[in-house]
Amino acid sequence: EEQLVQSGAEVKKPGESLKISCKGSGYSFTNYWIGWVRQMPGKGLEWMGIIYPGDSETRYSPSFQGQVTISADKSISTAYLQWSSLKASDTAMYFCARRYVSNGYYYYMDVWGQGTTVTVSS
Amino acid sequence: DIRVTQSPSSLSASLGDRVTITCRTSQNVDTYLNWYRQEPGKAPELLIYAASSLQSGVPSRFSGSGSETDFTLTISSLQPEDFVIYYCQESYSSPQFTFGGGTKVQIK
Repeated sequence: EEQLVQSGAEVKKPGESLKISCKGSGYSFTNYWIGWVRQMPGKGLEWMGIIYPGDSETRYSPSFQGQVTISADKSISTAYLQWSSLKASDTAMYFCARRYVSNGYYYYMDVWGQGTTVTVSS
Repeated sequence: DIRVTQSPSSLSASLGDRVTITCRTSQNVDTYLNWYRQEPGKAPELLIYAASSLQSGVPSRFSGSGSETDFTLTISSLQPEDFVIYYCQESYSSPQFTFGGGTKVQIK
Protein backbone atom coordinates (compact mmCIF):
# COMPACT_ATOMS: atom_id res chain seq x y z
CA GLU A 1 0.00 0.00 0.00
CA GLU A 2 1.31 3.43 -0.94
CA GLN A 3 1.24 5.67 2.07
CA LEU A 4 2.71 8.68 3.80
CA VAL A 5 2.97 8.57 7.57
CA GLN A 6 3.61 11.78 9.46
CA SER A 7 5.15 12.32 12.86
CA GLY A 8 3.01 12.95 15.90
CA ALA A 9 1.47 16.06 17.37
CA GLU A 10 3.80 18.71 18.78
CA VAL A 11 3.35 21.34 21.48
CA LYS A 12 6.03 24.02 21.49
CA LYS A 13 6.75 27.45 22.90
CA PRO A 14 7.30 30.56 20.79
CA GLY A 15 10.90 30.84 19.66
CA GLU A 16 11.55 27.10 19.75
CA SER A 17 12.62 25.10 16.72
CA LEU A 18 10.77 22.15 15.25
CA LYS A 19 11.15 19.56 12.52
CA ILE A 20 8.25 17.33 11.52
CA SER A 21 8.48 14.37 9.20
CA CYS A 22 6.63 12.52 6.47
CA LYS A 23 7.75 8.97 5.68
CA GLY A 24 6.79 7.32 2.42
CA SER A 25 6.33 3.61 1.82
CA GLY A 26 4.95 1.26 -0.80
CA TYR A 27 6.34 3.22 -3.75
CA SER A 28 9.57 4.67 -5.11
CA PHE A 29 9.95 7.70 -2.84
CA THR A 30 12.64 9.36 -4.96
CA ASN A 31 10.46 9.52 -8.08
CA TYR A 32 7.62 11.71 -6.79
CA TRP A 33 7.49 15.28 -5.51
CA ILE A 34 6.24 15.70 -1.93
CA GLY A 35 4.30 18.83 -1.06
CA TRP A 36 3.39 20.44 2.27
CA VAL A 37 0.06 22.06 3.05
CA ARG A 38 -0.93 24.16 6.05
CA GLN A 39 -4.41 24.31 7.55
CA MET A 40 -4.86 26.80 10.34
CA PRO A 41 -7.70 26.14 12.80
CA GLY A 42 -11.04 26.52 11.06
CA LYS A 43 -9.42 27.69 7.83
CA GLY A 44 -8.72 26.41 4.34
CA LEU A 45 -5.77 24.66 2.72
CA GLU A 46 -2.64 26.68 1.98
CA TRP A 47 0.12 25.49 -0.30
CA MET A 48 3.53 25.84 1.38
CA GLY A 49 6.03 24.25 -0.96
CA ILE A 50 7.30 21.07 -2.52
CA ILE A 51 10.44 18.96 -2.78
CA TYR A 52 11.70 16.34 -5.18
CA PRO A 53 13.45 13.76 -2.97
CA GLY A 54 15.50 12.43 -5.87
CA ASP A 55 17.69 15.53 -5.97
CA SER A 56 16.18 17.72 -3.20
CA GLU A 57 15.04 20.41 -5.65
CA THR A 58 12.67 22.58 -3.63
CA ARG A 59 10.11 25.23 -4.47
CA TYR A 60 8.39 27.47 -1.92
CA SER A 61 5.17 29.42 -2.06
CA PRO A 62 6.06 33.12 -1.78
CA SER A 63 4.01 33.27 1.41
CA PHE A 64 6.25 30.70 3.09
CA GLN A 65 9.64 31.46 1.55
CA GLY A 66 12.07 32.18 4.38
CA GLN A 67 9.57 31.11 7.03
CA VAL A 68 10.10 27.34 6.82
CA THR A 69 12.60 24.89 5.38
CA ILE A 70 11.62 21.81 3.40
CA SER A 71 14.12 18.99 3.11
CA ALA A 72 14.29 15.26 2.41
CA ASP A 73 16.47 12.27 3.20
CA LYS A 74 15.96 9.82 0.36
CA SER A 75 17.94 7.11 2.16
CA ILE A 76 15.08 6.76 4.65
CA SER A 77 12.24 7.88 2.33
CA THR A 78 11.40 10.85 4.54
CA ALA A 79 10.55 14.47 3.88
CA TYR A 80 10.72 17.19 6.51
CA LEU A 81 9.24 20.56 7.33
CA GLN A 82 11.11 22.66 9.84
CA TRP A 83 10.98 25.96 11.65
CA SER A 84 13.92 27.69 13.33
CA SER A 85 11.82 29.95 15.52
CA LEU A 86 8.16 29.16 15.96
CA LYS A 87 5.44 31.76 16.37
CA ALA A 88 1.95 31.39 17.78
CA SER A 89 0.65 31.93 14.26
CA ASP A 90 2.34 28.67 13.18
CA THR A 91 -0.32 26.78 15.13
CA ALA A 92 -1.97 24.60 12.51
CA MET A 93 -2.37 21.15 11.03
CA TYR A 94 0.30 20.33 8.46
CA PHE A 95 -0.20 17.77 5.73
CA CYS A 96 2.30 16.21 3.34
CA ALA A 97 1.09 14.82 0.02
CA ARG A 98 2.53 13.10 -3.02
CA ARG A 99 2.33 14.75 -6.41
CA TYR A 100 1.19 12.31 -9.07
CA VAL A 101 1.38 12.77 -12.82
CA SER A 102 -1.30 11.38 -15.12
CA ASN A 103 -0.83 11.10 -18.88
CA GLY A 104 2.48 12.84 -18.47
CA TYR A 105 1.11 16.30 -17.73
CA TYR A 106 -1.87 16.32 -15.36
CA TYR A 107 -0.71 16.81 -11.79
CA TYR A 108 -2.55 16.22 -8.54
CA MET A 109 -1.96 15.14 -4.96
CA ASP A 110 -3.06 11.53 -4.70
CA VAL A 111 -1.57 10.21 -1.45
CA TRP A 112 -1.78 12.26 1.73
CA GLY A 113 -0.28 11.93 5.17
CA GLN A 114 -2.63 11.89 8.14
CA GLY A 115 -1.52 15.36 9.25
CA THR A 116 0.60 16.67 12.11
CA THR A 117 -0.89 19.11 14.58
CA VAL A 118 1.51 21.80 15.73
CA THR A 119 0.51 23.95 18.70
CA VAL A 120 2.66 26.94 19.63
CA SER A 121 1.76 28.51 22.93
CA SER A 122 3.54 30.13 25.84
CA ASP B 1 0.77 34.00 -9.16
CA ILE B 2 -2.54 32.41 -10.06
CA ARG B 3 -5.43 33.23 -7.76
CA VAL B 4 -8.19 30.67 -7.25
CA THR B 5 -11.64 31.75 -6.09
CA GLN B 6 -14.39 29.36 -5.05
CA SER B 7 -18.06 30.15 -4.65
CA PRO B 8 -20.10 29.92 -2.64
CA SER B 9 -18.06 29.66 0.55
CA SER B 10 -20.90 27.64 2.04
CA LEU B 11 -24.24 26.26 0.98
CA SER B 12 -27.15 24.45 2.56
CA ALA B 13 -28.84 21.58 0.79
CA SER B 14 -30.94 18.50 1.46
CA LEU B 15 -30.29 14.82 0.89
CA GLY B 16 -30.84 14.02 -2.76
CA ASP B 17 -30.32 17.59 -3.95
CA ARG B 18 -28.14 18.47 -6.91
CA VAL B 19 -25.45 20.99 -6.00
CA THR B 20 -22.89 22.91 -7.99
CA ILE B 21 -19.72 24.55 -6.74
CA THR B 22 -17.80 27.03 -8.85
CA CYS B 23 -14.07 27.67 -9.10
CA ARG B 24 -12.52 30.55 -11.00
CA THR B 25 -8.83 31.12 -11.72
CA SER B 26 -7.21 34.49 -12.34
CA GLN B 27 -5.62 33.28 -15.55
CA ASN B 28 -6.11 30.55 -18.12
CA VAL B 29 -5.16 27.13 -16.63
CA ASP B 30 -6.54 25.06 -19.51
CA THR B 31 -7.93 21.99 -17.70
CA TYR B 32 -5.27 21.85 -14.97
CA LEU B 33 -7.81 21.92 -12.18
CA ASN B 34 -8.44 19.40 -9.42
CA TRP B 35 -11.15 18.95 -6.80
CA TYR B 36 -10.82 17.49 -3.30
CA ARG B 37 -13.13 16.74 -0.39
CA GLN B 38 -12.13 17.05 3.24
CA GLU B 39 -13.80 15.76 6.35
CA PRO B 40 -13.11 17.63 9.63
CA GLY B 41 -9.73 16.70 11.09
CA LYS B 42 -8.79 14.47 8.16
CA ALA B 43 -6.58 14.76 5.12
CA PRO B 44 -8.11 15.89 1.81
CA GLU B 45 -9.11 13.25 -0.72
CA LEU B 46 -8.92 13.63 -4.49
CA LEU B 47 -12.24 13.58 -6.35
CA ILE B 48 -11.60 14.99 -9.80
CA TYR B 49 -8.41 15.76 -11.72
CA ALA B 50 -7.84 17.43 -15.07
CA ALA B 51 -11.11 19.31 -14.57
CA SER B 52 -13.37 16.35 -15.44
CA SER B 53 -11.59 13.02 -14.81
CA LEU B 54 -13.04 11.02 -11.94
CA GLN B 55 -10.45 9.58 -9.59
CA SER B 56 -10.65 5.81 -9.21
CA GLY B 57 -13.12 4.78 -6.53
CA VAL B 58 -15.02 8.07 -6.49
CA PRO B 59 -18.80 7.69 -6.91
CA SER B 60 -20.25 8.67 -10.26
CA ARG B 61 -22.58 11.24 -8.67
CA PHE B 62 -19.54 13.52 -8.71
CA SER B 63 -18.63 15.28 -11.95
CA GLY B 64 -16.43 18.14 -13.00
CA SER B 65 -16.47 20.46 -15.97
CA GLY B 66 -14.90 23.61 -17.31
CA SER B 67 -11.75 24.91 -18.87
CA GLU B 68 -9.55 28.00 -19.02
CA THR B 69 -10.76 30.07 -16.04
CA ASP B 70 -14.17 28.70 -15.06
CA PHE B 71 -14.87 25.31 -13.53
CA THR B 72 -17.66 23.52 -11.71
CA LEU B 73 -18.00 20.54 -9.42
CA THR B 74 -21.45 18.97 -9.45
CA ILE B 75 -22.88 16.42 -7.04
CA SER B 76 -25.95 14.96 -8.69
CA SER B 77 -27.69 13.63 -5.57
CA LEU B 78 -26.33 14.51 -2.15
CA GLN B 79 -25.61 11.63 0.19
CA PRO B 80 -24.97 11.87 3.95
CA GLU B 81 -21.20 11.56 3.50
CA ASP B 82 -21.15 14.50 1.06
CA PHE B 83 -21.72 17.13 3.75
CA VAL B 84 -18.07 18.12 4.00
CA ILE B 85 -15.76 20.82 2.62
CA TYR B 86 -14.70 20.90 -1.03
CA TYR B 87 -11.59 22.54 -2.45
CA CYS B 88 -10.44 23.20 -5.96
CA GLN B 89 -6.74 23.38 -6.81
CA GLU B 90 -4.97 24.62 -9.91
CA SER B 91 -2.04 22.53 -11.11
CA TYR B 92 -1.06 24.69 -14.08
CA SER B 93 1.77 26.11 -11.97
CA SER B 94 3.07 22.67 -10.99
CA PRO B 95 5.16 21.82 -9.11
CA GLN B 96 3.56 24.70 -7.24
CA PHE B 97 -0.17 24.55 -6.63
CA THR B 98 -2.82 26.96 -5.35
CA PHE B 99 -6.03 26.01 -3.56
CA GLY B 100 -9.35 27.75 -3.60
CA GLY B 101 -10.80 28.94 -0.33
CA GLY B 102 -13.16 25.98 0.09
CA THR B 103 -16.90 25.40 0.02
CA LYS B 104 -18.67 23.92 3.02
CA VAL B 105 -21.76 21.89 2.15
CA GLN B 106 -24.18 21.82 5.06
CA ILE B 107 -27.43 20.03 5.70
CA LYS B 108 -30.49 22.24 5.31
